Formats: sequence, structure tokens, C-alpha cells
Amino acid sequence: DGGITQSPKYLFRKEGQNVTLSCEQNLNHDAMYWYRQDPGQGLRLIYYSQIVNDFQKGDIAEGYSVSREKKESFPLTVTSAQKNPTAFYLCASSRGSSSGNTIYFGEGSWLTVV
Amino acid sequence: QQQVKQSPQSLIVQKGGISIINCAYENTAFDYFPWYQQFPGKGPALLIAIRPDVSEKKEGRFTISFNKSAKQFSLHIMDSQPGDSATYFCAASVGSNTGKLIFGQGTTLQVKP
Repeated sequence: DGGITQSPKYLFRKEGQNVTLSCEQNLNHDAMYWYRQDPGQGLRLIYYSQIVNDFQKGDIAEGYSVSREKKESFPLTVTSAQKNPTAFYLCASSRGSSSGNTIYFGEGSWLTVV
Repeated sequence: QQQVKQSPQSLIVQKGGISIINCAYENTAFDYFPWYQQFPGKGPALLIAIRPDVSEKKEGRFTISFNKSAKQFSLHIMDSQPGDSATYFCAASVGSNTGKLIFGQGTTLQVKP
């Protein structure tokens, strides 16, 4: 099946730890994105990548890092510098980055700080 | 100016009724307005989208109405069904980078049988 796979679905992080969320797509999409969703709020863009080996900060990039070494993969690392990391994280992709390209989302990953 | 304001926050509709969700924006450069539907614990899925050169777009029971002069757009769900119960997000983007979608705060719709 074609789609976007995020793992793990649930993740618990201790204070001071870095954690990495995986995102893989087999849609052959050039652009990939990471969004954060907090309860009762809309989605906010963390990072996005239009091509391999290139990525840009979104609106809330502080405390996060990404890499784009392969077209199909766009992992997100939540670092200890992120003060309030508990949230639902959504990876997405689109064929291109021009306006009108449909953005497809993965099933999301829940991150909880314990 | 980058905000998209969505209302109401929650909505309860009887089965068969019309659900209406409204969004407003400030940035006149926005040129793509999608609506997403999200079920609990799932990622959002594109429902319907419109560009500002048309005033209305209909797909099945879902219609977007767009008022460019008022900088407002709305989603109408006709003959609402319990299966439509979900959270709906409006969004907007500009120019060359669709990925920079600006989302509204979301509306939780409950359709009562």
C-alpha cells in the first residue's frame, strides 16, 4: 500500500532525553513536512523539506531537528531543548511544493514526557 | 496577518441537518484554501479545496463557499450523518509552497442520530 508510515505510534520521553520520530513515505513525493498538534489547536509547522539534503524551519522549529538524506525518509528529533514536547506529531508529504499540491498526512505519533 | 480564524470551536447537529463552519483570513496573498477532516487518533485527510477565483465548489454533500472581498470561506455539510462526526480544519497557503499551510484552530463536529 502507498502511504506515509510514522513510528512509533506512542513514545514516552524522560526529561533531558532526545527522541527521534520516524517518517517514511512510498509515494515518491518530493516534499515532506512535520507538524505538531496540541489538544484543541490547529496544526503548526515545525520543519519542511522540498528536496533531498535540504530543509527549512517552520513556525516552531526551536528544540527540534531534522534530516533528509533520502527522498522517502524525514526523521524528526525532539531534543531536550524543547521545553514542552508533549503533543501529537504529524508527518506529511506532497508531490511538489507549489500551491495546490495535496498534502497527505501520516497517522501521527503521540509523544509524552514522563 | 498569517492567521486563519475558525469558528465555531464545536458544533452539534442533528442527523440530516446542515453543518456550517466558518473561516476568516487577513493575508490577501493566500491562494489555496483546503479543508481537512480528522478522526480521533488519526492524521487529517483532505476533504475539499478551493482557489479564490471561484466562489463555490461542491463535492457530494460538502460545499465550500468563498467570499474574496470579505476574506472569508466556509464549509457546508449537507444532510449531515453520524459518520461525519470529526474535527474539521480549514487552512490556507500562499504561492510556491503549499507545505506552509496555515491552519485554523479546528471545529469538533458531533452529528446526533
